[in-house]
Amino acid sequence: KAGVTQTPRYLIKTRGQQVTLSCSPISGHRSVSWYQQTPGQGLQFLFEYFSETQRNKGNFPGRFSGRQFSNSRSEMNVSTLELGDSALYLCASSPRGTDTNTEAFFGQGTRLTVV
Amino acid sequence: GENVEQHPSTLSVQEGDSAVIKCTYSDSASNYFPWYKQELGKGPQLIIDIRSNVGEKKDQRIAVTLNKTAKHFSLHITETQPEDSAVYFCAASISGSARQLTFGSGTQLTVLP
Repeated sequence: KAGVTQTPRYLIKTRGQQVTLSCSPISGHRSVSWYQQTPGQGLQFLFEYFSETQRNKGNFPGRFSGRQFSNSRSEMNVSTLELGDSALYLCASSPRGTDTNTEAFFGQGTRLTVV
Repeated sequence: GENVEQHPSTLSVQEGDSAVIKCTYSDSASNYFPWYKQELGKGPQLIIDIRSNVGEKKDQRIAVTLNKTAKHFSLHITETQPEDSAVYFCAASISGSARQLTFGSGTQLTVLP
């Protein structure tokens, strides 16, 4: 069974640009969550999607957005990139979105560098 | 919102010894507490989790304990091996699942051969 797939693995962008990251969850998983990992702030929750709807959002500016498609694949977008957006962006999928007792499986992440 | 504190930030042990990592949480409504292991260049991998209706859970060399009154939980690794070397994260959630996790700051565990 394939795991969570994130593309691309590495990305270099210039300040002011925008970027789109992609996440394909484990087959059959319907909930996708996104996290930002930096040395200074650690792992921080960005948002969670289930059935194409954003259900929860972390404390990030509106420049960070996302969406989920009908096949559960998800994308996140960061507009007007800042140097501080350089981070490892992790996607996690869970089997079901409404039940408890579900664990999250993480992808390898996309390493974004803003120069 | 929830705040999770994790100690120590670094931990070195001799192969075969035990390692203990401790976390405290602030929101008494938190009811799901997973532990993740992250190796270099990889995403976090769940190694064990515990829910608020359980005080202790064990899986081979790994165990987790939860004290709801004190709002803290701990990871115990016995008979450590060099391949246990990694960064370990604790996390907490109020949703009963892993959909929205608040993470601790991580512990770099080094097992010396």
